[in-house]
Formats: sequence, C-alpha cells, structure tokens
Amino acid sequence: GEDVEQSLFLSVREGDSSVINCTYTDSSSTYLYWYKQEPGAGLQLLTYIFSNMDMKQDQRLTVLLNKKDKHLSLRIADTQTGDSAIYFCAESEGGYNKLIFGAGTRLAVHP
Amino acid sequence: GAVVSQHPSWVICKSGTSVKIECRSLDFQATTMFWYRQFPKQSLMLMATSNEGSKATYEQGVEKDKFLINHASLTLSTLTVTSAHPEDSSFYICSATPLGVGLGDTQYFGPGTRLTVL
Repeated sequence: GEDVEQSLFLSVREGDSSVINCTYTDSSSTYLYWYKQEPGAGLQLLTYIFSNMDMKQDQRLTVLLNKKDKHLSLRIADTQTGDSAIYFCAESEGGYNKLIFGAGTRLAVHP
Repeated sequence: GAVVSQHPSWVICKSGTSVKIECRSLDFQATTMFWYRQFPKQSLMLMATSNEGSKATYEQGVEKDKFLINHASLTLSTLTVTSAHPEDSSFYICSATPLGVGLGDTQYFGPGTRLTVL
C-alpha cells in the first residue's frame, strides 16, 4: 500500500532554519500536505502543494517537491520556540481526499 | 473560518461501556468527515470515511460493529466506541472536507478526543 516516511526527530537552534524531509510512494497524489500538531491538540494545516508544482513559499515556510524522487521537504526559516511541535507530511491517496500520513517529525527548538 | 470541534475533549470510562464522540463543522457544511486514531507518539491512522446520509466506509482491520459512525447532517458526525476496552484507549481525531470542494482538497481537523478506558 501507499507509504509516507519521515525522520522522527529534528533539533535546531532558535533563529536557524529547519528542514523536515518526507518521501512518499503514491505517484498519483494530487496534493501533498504539511500539518503541525502541538501537544494534546489536533492537526493544523500549515501548507500544501499541488503535484505539478515544485516549490511553494508562504512567509517563513518553503515547500519543495521533487516528483521524480517522490521527495517533499518543508523549510522553516528563522525557527522560533513556538515552532516546536510534531510535523506530519501527508499525501492524498489516488488523488482523492483520503490522506496517508507519515509518522511525524518532532521538531525541538532550543535557545 | 473552517473550524471543526469535537466533544468531549477527553473522556474516561469503565470497560464495557459505550462512548460517543461528536465532530462538528462550525462554520461550513461538510460532505465528508473522516475519523482517525492516533496512538502515543505515532501517526494518524484513518479508521473510516463518513459521507452525509450514507454508510461509512471503514478501513481494513477496523471493526464496523465496534466503531459505529453516524453522519446524520452536513455539520455533525458521531463515533460511538461500543463495549470499550482498555486497548481502545487512544486519541481520536476527526476531520471534515467542505461541501463543494474538489478532489484532493483540504481536510480541516478537530482538536481530538482522548479516550481512556479503565
């Protein structure tokens, strides 16, 4: 079946950039998403990218998509302590609304 | 806009009892709502897809008689965990897709419900 993989943990210094990586398997995914989850809370949509794009920038967030390698990344510029959370990559299975999530990357921001 | 609420936010119940969790889209109508389960430090696993007015579609391995889903209106879906057991303890999260939205578009997530079965 479809699979989404992410590294589990990332630690960065406040003010540095964070890059969270993700690989996926479903080549028919129409959209790819990044969600943020803070402790004990639901998921907050951060950004998404349409599969025919290779980059999307939204303020401090930059999403890069390499469709050939099925690789997605999320770059957070000027990372702040408030960015500490778990970040989930998700693909839309078969181009439909069903989402397949990665295991999540825990981002820890330290002074 | 696009706010999804869940009630209750947490519940503790005795083994063998049933628990109902509500998922509401507050400022939009949702054709489709999704129910996920998340174990500690793990990802979200889709349990079922619920369309208003029709039976839910369950993922493989999810017992439909144990996890009853009702989607009676365009703003409300409920998940009932029947005869709950300690292994059903988990974080249950719902999401909703706005009416009229195209394929592959955004799901808006609720804040989750933490169920603990004693």
